[in-house]
Amino acid sequence: DQQVKQNSPSLSVQEGRISILNCDYTNSMFDYFLWYKKYPAEGPTFLISISSIKDKNEDGRFTVFLNKSAKHLSLHIVPSQPGDSAVYFCAASARETSGSRLTFGEGTQLTVNP
Amino acid sequence: DTGVSQDPRHKITKRGQNVTFRCDPISEHNRLYWYRQTLGQGPEFLTYFQNEAQLEKSRLLSDRFSAERPKGSFSTLEIQRTEQGDSAMYLCASSLVRQYEQYFGPGTRLTVT
Repeated sequence: DQQVKQNSPSLSVQEGRISILNCDYTNSMFDYFLWYKKYPAEGPTFLISISSIKDKNEDGRFTVFLNKSAKHLSLHIVPSQPGDSAVYFCAASARETSGSRLTFGEGTQLTVNP
Repeated sequence: DTGVSQDPRHKITKRGQNVTFRCDPISEHNRLYWYRQTLGQGPEFLTYFQNEAQLEKSRLLSDRFSAERPKGSFSTLEIQRTEQGDSAMYLCASSLVRQYEQYFGPGTRLTVT
């Protein structure tokens, strides 16, 4: 049962344009969502997060949007830079019912072309 | 560097052997987590500790897997009688108690031949 899904295995964008990475979830008990970035041979690096009581959180070039009714979140990166090329993971937490574990999606490989 | 560290970074072992991995969390973090990641998938939760107490274990953590955090600082993950299906990246993360964000180490890549 894949509770967090990232349906696009890969995304390619031009430098300077917007990158939009999408994530869907099925568990309505999820109350906190996170995005991680992973470079090869490194562990995931925390990027940005959002609580279920908000619908948007912004940090510099990164903005996360949450649509609870659709059980959908997205990460916007603008402007995209070649150094943003990495695998991006969406993760979710349901602290009341599932303790402190994070449930991850499969990841989306972002490639930003110069 | 005061991030999460893991040792070794790579381990190749033969089927049936036992292996042990170590994780040193960020020093002030009292929660420590283990995840496993296979190719093309996101990390999957295995277990977590708050201080020295193991509070949660996934059904993925079979009887051949055991984790300890004896003094509430570093942790070890042991896999007994390794199988080829155990080949994966084993990731450790840490956090503060009230914090949702978990901070990951570089991982230990296990290859079972």
